[in-house]
Amino acid sequence: SQQGEEDPQALSIQEGENATMNCSYKTSINNLQWYRQNSGRGLVHLILIRSNEREKHSGRLRVTLDTSKKSSSLLITASRAADTASYFCLNFGNEKLTFGTGTRLTIIP
Amino acid sequence: GAVVSQHPSRVICKSGTSVKIECRSLDFQATTMFWYRQFPKKSLMLMATSNEGSKATYEQGVEKDKFLINHASLTLSTLTVTSAHPEDSSFYICSALIRQVSYNEQFFGPGTRLTVL
Repeated sequence: SQQGEEDPQALSIQEGENATMNCSYKTSINNLQWYRQNSGRGLVHLILIRSNEREKHSGRLRVTLDTSKKSSSLLITASRAADTASYFCLNFGNEKLTFGTGTRLTIIP
Repeated sequence: GAVVSQHPSRVICKSGTSVKIECRSLDFQATTMFWYRQFPKKSLMLMATSNEGSKATYEQGVEKDKFLINHASLTLSTLTVTSAHPEDSSFYICSALIRQVSYNEQFFGPGTRLTVL
C-alpha cells in the first residue's frame, strides 16, 4: 500500500496568506497526486507530479517533489475562503492506495 | 481528465434493507476499480479492489458477504450494502484505475452518502 502522511494535520491561516503542507511517503514512486476534499464531498484532483519532475505549477498551486527525502509539498498562494478543505497526497507507486488523514486547511476570512 | 460518476449521490434507507451504489467510468474503460469508505473526520479506507470479470479482492476486516461488489463491465462496478445497519452509514467513494505505460492514475467518483436509519 502507498500511504501519504500529510503534515501538518491542521492549518489555519488568514485569507490572502500562503499555505504550505507537506507529505511523506514510504516506498518508490511513479507519480504523486494531490487531492482536495471539501467536507462530506468526494475527492477533487488538483495536480500530478511525476517522479522525474521536481516542481510543478498550476494556477495558485505549486508542488515540489524530493524523491531523495520521499517528500512532497503543496503550496497554495493567495489563499481564499474557498480553499478551506482537507488535502491529501497519494503516491502512485503501485495501484493500491491507503490514505493518511490529510491536512485540514481552514482559511479565515 | 477522465470522469468517474457515482449513483446515487445520497441515499437514506431503513435497517435491514440493501442498497446498491454504482460507479461508472464515463469516457474510458477501467478493468480495475476501487471502493473506499470514509467515516466522519477520518481518512479514506480502502475496502476492496474490483476487477472486471473476476471476484473482488477485499481488504482485511471487510466482510465480503456484507459488501457485495460486482464489476460486470469495463465501465461499471457496483457495491451493494446488504442488510444495512446504522453503523454502515458512511461516505463511500469509488475510483477507477488507468494503467499507462510508465505510471498509473486513479480517478475518483464524487462519493455516495449512505444513511441507514
